[in-house]
Amino acid sequence: RKEVEQDPGPFNVPEGATVAFNCTYSNSASQSFFWYRQDCRKEPKLLMSVYSSGNEDGRFTAQLNRASQYISLLIRDSKLSDSATYLCVVEGQKVTFGTGTKLQVIP
Amino acid sequence: ETGVTQTPRHLVMGMTNKKSLKCEQHLGHNAMYWYKQSAKKPLELMFVYNFKEQTENNSVPSRFSPECPNSSHLFLHLHTLQPEDSALYLCASSQDFWGEEEKLFFGSGTQLSVL
Repeated sequence: RKEVEQDPGPFNVPEGATVAFNCTYSNSASQSFFWYRQDCRKEPKLLMSVYSSGNEDGRFTAQLNRASQYISLLIRDSKLSDSATYLCVVEGQKVTFGTGTKLQVIP
Repeated sequence: ETGVTQTPRHLVMGMTNKKSLKCEQHLGHNAMYWYKQSAKKPLELMFVYNFKEQTENNSVPSRFSPECPNSSHLFLHLHTLQPEDSALYLCASSQDFWGEEEKLFFGSGTQLSVL
């Protein structure tokens, strides 16, 4: 089983739609979780941290399910500018990146 | 602008060339990293420096040689690379070395092509 696993997509959604991504991790001792966003041919940038209690930032909501060992990212009212690859990052004794989920928001 | 500057943005080199990638962070961070990103693969950690001391070398071939003269600067020296080394090389920094909830700040990366 991969340490961090994401559906590579692409997820093609119309503007205004709600879309959700999941990311599973294998190490139950993992402590910190993040979502990063990476635009094509650019560097990853931190989008938000993920807490057990959930974390909301505008149209973005991130949640952690420790029992099932996954984190999720929900994007409401998708914008064209949300088109990017979303990387799941899990920190324990080391930092592990997922391969990313590609989102394409269509007009 | 993330406060991490990487040069050059693009690099094409032959297998016999020697080149260097440069990274500078203006964030006052203590840890710096080199990552490799190949198509359809997750980011691979190559090297970690904490307070300019190398703390991790992730089984990287010796044709990649890092150098960290101080906490703000990081270099990756390249020599006799192979075509499979073509990738996006990303420098990153963080306040501390993988402390609790450590956030990484990336440079814009160097797209390297080895011919």
